[in-house]
Amino acid sequence: DGGITQSPKYLFRKEGQNVTLSCEQNLNHDAMYWYRQDPGQGLRLIYYSQIVNDFQKGDIAEGYSVSREKKESFPLTVTSAQKNPTAFYLCASSIETSGMTQYFGPGTRLLVL
Amino acid sequence: DQQVKQNSPSLSVQEGRISILNCDYTNSMFDYFLWYKKYPAEGPTFLISISSIKDKNEDGRFTVFLNKSAKHLSLHIVPSQPGDSAVYFCAASELSTSGTYKYIFGTGTRLKVLA
Repeated sequence: DGGITQSPKYLFRKEGQNVTLSCEQNLNHDAMYWYRQDPGQGLRLIYYSQIVNDFQKGDIAEGYSVSREKKESFPLTVTSAQKNPTAFYLCASSIETSGMTQYFGPGTRLLVL
Repeated sequence: DQQVKQNSPSLSVQEGRISILNCDYTNSMFDYFLWYKKYPAEGPTFLISISSIKDKNEDGRFTVFLNKSAKHLSLHIVPSQPGDSAVYFCAASELSTSGTYKYIFGTGTRLKVLA
């Protein structure tokens, strides 16, 4: 049963703490993406990766970091430098050679204590 | 500067009637246009896409129309059903300098289908 999984569903962060959001896909997709959604807004691109060990900054990369050590996994770390981390985080993947669709995981809601 | 715009934040339609969701864009280099449906606290679900070289694509109750000269696309849902009530996002894809497709999203339109 192919798809994208994100964990945890809810995550709480204390002041000054780094937290890592997990994203795994078994669709054999090359490209993976992280987006942030805030209330009343669209999805904003944080980071994306075309291939293992390579990734690029999106529109709002400040305060975030990623790694792509395996094709299936693209974890996102929200660092203490991200001053407004409360949001709904979505991971997605797509076939690298096509721009015709993108599949999303169920999302992780991050809340700051 | 928003490259993909959905100017109607909400839309209400009677069950059985047609729902028309609109989207405007500014970048003529987009390759594909996509529509997603999203429920609260869930990831978006892909509905339908259209290539920039086409002007219509149909899949069951969903049809997307593309007007390149006006830089406008629309999603038609007919007949509308109560289960269609959700937020609909328009998105466009473009090839980035790194060789990967990037997807740019609009702000969404909340559709409510009234029984």
